[in-house]
Amino acid sequence: DAGVIQSPRHEVTEMGQEVTLRCKPISGHDYLFWYRQTMMRGLELLIYFNNNVPIDDSGMPEDRFSAKMPNASFSTLKIQPSEPRDSAVYFCASSHDRVTYTFGSGTRLTVV
Amino acid sequence: ELKVEQNPLFLSMQEGKNYTIYCNYSTTSDRLYWYRQDPGKSLESLFVLLSNGAVKQEGRLMASLDTKARLSTLHITAAVHDLSATYFCAVDAYTTSGTYKYIFGTGTRLKVLA
Repeated sequence: DAGVIQSPRHEVTEMGQEVTLRCKPISGHDYLFWYRQTMMRGLELLIYFNNNVPIDDSGMPEDRFSAKMPNASFSTLKIQPSEPRDSAVYFCASSHDRVTYTFGSGTRLTVV
Repeated sequence: ELKVEQNPLFLSMQEGKNYTIYCNYSTTSDRLYWYRQDPGKSLESLFVLLSNGAVKQEGRLMASLDTKARLSTLHITAAVHDLSATYFCAVDAYTTSGTYKYIFGTGTRLKVLA
């Protein structure tokens, strides 16, 4: 099993550009989570899905952020337009039983 | 609001010493998780505690859960340099809005000095 796969690993973009982060969960895992990690705010839950349906998006910082899960094997987190304060490491995680969670390697986003 | 707090935030300790990291949470939950994160890396699962009084040990690390006190501890025995990392606890709790949330603590940055 390749684990949770995130792409890209690093992203550098200019302020105002659209950024799309991608995640492929472990096959058979029907929960998918997006987290943001910064030094100031730690690990923040942005949104999570169950069976491709968004369950709780109360952590999404503002309307510039959107997440989708069009099928069981793919999810995206989009930021449009991006701002320097969005610079962070974004983690995706998946679970099949809410007991065992597997995290991806993360995407380090830098907005200049 | 669901809060998960850890203390200390930073811990510098000598090799061979013992210490405990504390994780307090603000709502009812019987699921508590501990993770390790090395710089620039992802999160590695250490322990999953699923009931009151649960205790798990792996090497020099031992984790326990007291759901009545809403407290978990991660005890380090005879620390070695390889344990230097950031340790997070996380809680899976039912919210008043009718959903579950998986929330992380603030993290404890541990540095073990030779």
